[in-house]
Amino acid sequence: GENVEQHPSTLSVQEGDSAVIKCTYSDSASNYFPWYKQELGKGPQLIIDIRSNVGEKKDQRIAVTLNKTAKHFSLHITETQPEDSAVYFCAASNGLTGGGNKLTFGTGTQLKVEL
Amino acid sequence: GAGVSQSPRYKVAKRGQDVALRCDPISGHVSLFWYQQALGQGPEFLTYFQNEAQLDKSGLPSDRFFAERPEGSVSTLKIQRTQQEDSAVYLCASSPPGAGVRNEQFFGPGTRLTVL
Repeated sequence: GENVEQHPSTLSVQEGDSAVIKCTYSDSASNYFPWYKQELGKGPQLIIDIRSNVGEKKDQRIAVTLNKTAKHFSLHITETQPEDSAVYFCAASNGLTGGGNKLTFGTGTQLKVEL
Repeated sequence: GAGVSQSPRYKVAKRGQDVALRCDPISGHVSLFWYQQALGQGPEFLTYFQNEAQLDKSGLPSDRFFAERPEGSVSTLKIQRTQQEDSAVYLCASSPPGAGVRNEQFFGPGTRLTVL
């Protein structure tokens, strides 16, 4: 089955700096890669996703890049703000026809944005 | 519109008790997933429904775990004879229709289960 590795496990940055979180996956059939933000006591919130037919996607301060050859993808957050502090999870799935695209998650990155 | 809701939000059970956890998916979402999240870990897949059909239950850790979605909407995850290792947050997610095109999963707040 799929295996997703994520690093770093913790990341501390100064407000306004950029943050980068990296993930690798093992299953070359995986074609959908979402990123989730989880705040304490809440469920994961989808913040951005990318499919294997593109190499980069950007949404305001958040961007994701995908390298299919190397089987790795990254989350980039620019101009970090204190409210970006949370645990971030990457995930991968093989989107099957009809659904059933169960997600395999990384182990999470605790991001702390310091004033 | 309303998101995925789960109840109860917190559940404390004595070892050996049975528990039932409820998930109300987003209206119109045909796909429903259950995940288990241990403390400090990422969610792990338990089971998947498309409408009322349970198409994948490969992640259920033992036969004490049972899930159902009889009318293709609300789902219940039942754990029989709970053990301490069952303590975790149980997350439900739903996904909009669209075969292989729209894969987004939207998560509920989870139920935190503590087995004493």
